Amino acid sequence: KAGVTQTPRYLIKTRGQQVTLSCSPISGHRSVSWYQQTPGQGLQFLFEYFSETQRNKGNFPGRFSGRQFSNSRSEMNVSTLELGDSALYLCASSRDRGRSDTQYFGPGTRLTVL
Amino acid sequence: AQKVTQAQTEISVVEKEDVTLDCVYETRDTTYYLFWYKQPPSGELVFLIRRNSFDEQNEISGRYSWNFQKSTSSFNFTITASQVVDSAVYFCALPYNTGFQKLVFGTGTRLLVSP
Repeated sequence: KAGVTQTPRYLIKTRGQQVTLSCSPISGHRSVSWYQQTPGQGLQFLFEYFSETQRNKGNFPGRFSGRQFSNSRSEMNVSTLELGDSALYLCASSRDRGRSDTQYFGPGTRLTVL
Repeated sequence: AQKVTQAQTEISVVEKEDVTLDCVYETRDTTYYLFWYKQPPSGELVFLIRRNSFDEQNEISGRYSWNFQKSTSSFNFTITASQVVDSAVYFCALPYNTGFQKLVFGTGTRLLVSP
């Protein structure tokens, strides 16, 4: 079974631009979560999607948004990029959305904002 | 609120040494789950183990073992006979709350295993 895939793996953008990251969950998994990882803040939860609906959102500004499609694939978008948005963005999928469900992570997208 | 503390920032060992990574957690939940993940230099978080708070038995998987002690709110991870390939950052995590998928992570412990 293929794991979680994320595209692109690396991105370089400049301040003010916007970016879209993509995540394909493990087949059969319906929940997708996004995390941001930075050296200063560690791993922080961005949002969770289940059945095409955002169920939870972390403490991030409205510039961060996302969506989930009917095939459970998910995208996240960051508008008006800032230098501080440089990070590793990790997507995770799980079969369901209970807290006992294991989240399996993708390889991440490393975003650099210049 | 849920909290996970990994007090060890970095540990350096020589191959074949045993090493224990500490994890202390805080939760008001009576039932909960705990997770360990490994993050090699490639960046992907690799799932290692999930433990239910009802089950306090130690778990062993090859060179890996986990010691869960509810009385001290600890879920420690031991690697026996460490290898260079074990070099990575290890994270302990706890789900935020009932019905939420959000994981609360510790700050991670970087393990360096030298030949």
